[in-house]
Amino acid sequence: QSVLTQPPSASGTPGQRVTISCSGSSSNIGSNTVNWYQQVPGTAPKLLIYSNNQRPSGVPDRFSGSKSGTSASLAISGLQSEDEADYYCAAWGDSLNTYWVFGGGTKLTVL
Amino acid sequence: EVQLVESGGGLVQPGGSLRLSCAASGFTFSNYHMNWVRQAPGKGLEWVSFISSSSSSTIYYADSVKGRFTISRDNAKNLLFLQMDSLRDEDTAVYYCANGGSFGKWGQGTLVTVSS
Repeated sequence: QSVLTQPPSASGTPGQRVTISCSGSSSNIGSNTVNWYQQVPGTAPKLLIYSNNQRPSGVPDRFSGSKSGTSASLAISGLQSEDEADYYCAAWGDSLNTYWVFGGGTKLTVL
Repeated sequence: EVQLVESGGGLVQPGGSLRLSCAASGFTFSNYHMNWVRQAPGKGLEWVSFISSSSSSTIYYADSVKGRFTISRDNAKNLLFLQMDSLRDEDTAVYYCANGGSFGKWGQGTLVTVSS
């Protein structure tokens, strides 16, 4: 059971816009920024979005992040076949003995 | 180019020990906080441990490994370590090192299998 809640799966067709949600609490997302990671099967995770909505150099602007209250979202526009991957959200937890927490991951399928 | 290369994984019996290493290059290692994150087979990501940058003054562990794992670093050699003792079946996972407070770059991972 992950501290942050994500839908286990999402899907879309090429060119579509899809969003992936991440729900937390006041002790993690509610009081800290959210990062998103992309993991293509068989490879290491890659930072996609940091500080809620910032893209590292090299990440296409098709990827965007947002946060409101205790929830966050990742949006992918102009969906491409290479976007098929697992996506994870993460945030710092302010509770006692709780540090970095991850969502359970969302498997994105490009139909 | 930033590179993180983990090593030291393998098969170990329950109760045994293993020491993982992460060799860093392409960035000023001593300026970066470092983390270990693991992924059990077919499962999601789980943060394991954090060590602060230059003086290693701040260290955190996930409750699941506290008292059994020890994180350390050698800034002179650009190396990050994870000493894993009293290993359990549930510690079986790919272990990644990742740099920075946002896990900006990740290594390719090293597989640890705990089994009798």
